[in-house]
Amino acid sequence: GESVGLHLPTLSVQEGDNSIINCAYSNSASDYFIWYKQESGKGPQFIIDIRSNMDKRQGQRVTVLLNKTVKHLSLQIAATQPGDSAVYFCAENENAGGTSYGKLTFGQGTILTVHP
Amino acid sequence: GAVVSQHPSWVICKSGTSVKIECRSLDFQATTMFWYRQFPKQSLMLMATSNEGSKATYEQGVEKDKFLINHASLTLSTLTVTSAHPEDSSFYICSVSGSAYNEQFFGPGTRLTVL
Repeated sequence: GESVGLHLPTLSVQEGDNSIINCAYSNSASDYFIWYKQESGKGPQFIIDIRSNMDKRQGQRVTVLLNKTVKHLSLQIAATQPGDSAVYFCAENENAGGTSYGKLTFGQGTILTVHP
Repeated sequence: GAVVSQHPSWVICKSGTSVKIECRSLDFQATTMFWYRQFPKQSLMLMATSNEGSKATYEQGVEKDKFLINHASLTLSTLTVTSAHPEDSSFYICSVSGSAYNEQFFGPGTRLTVL
């Protein structure tokens, strides 16, 4: 049968509130980070990315913050909507000796539920 | 970004049979594709990196003789789960490596259920 999985962290918010989803990464050599949104039964969808030479990047309603000192990444969603309900994953690129063919390591994931 | 499709979207098979999953890059020539596996309520785990015209690179713990990968063209990679068992039941997702720095475009996934 399938492996017994860990329970993903969950975040419940009201529509219109701001949401903050956190992620800790482990590889200090990672130089590129991405946030993905995954709806049930679908593949991951790109939200926003950031390179290690930046500490903040903004998109439409979303902001990613990177703290390399503590190896922490966060995703802020402004004015959260019911359509934002999904599982959110951070991913880091393993920069092995300078190669950059896009090998990603995904974080645990957070379930975001937005209540109308 | 690149449009990626997978076929089938779901499949149910009997234990011991083999199942082939296709990953197509519809509008982009992909020299590199990736195959992931995702169990319920878990994250994506990279299984292998598929390079057009060469052998796939498998992650530690993934059996290359069980999960056969063929990347025969710039638009198609296939994953064949050989002699499938119930523990192989999972959500299999492919991605295409884009031209820009480290971007990846994901397919919609294939749900495999082995009875």
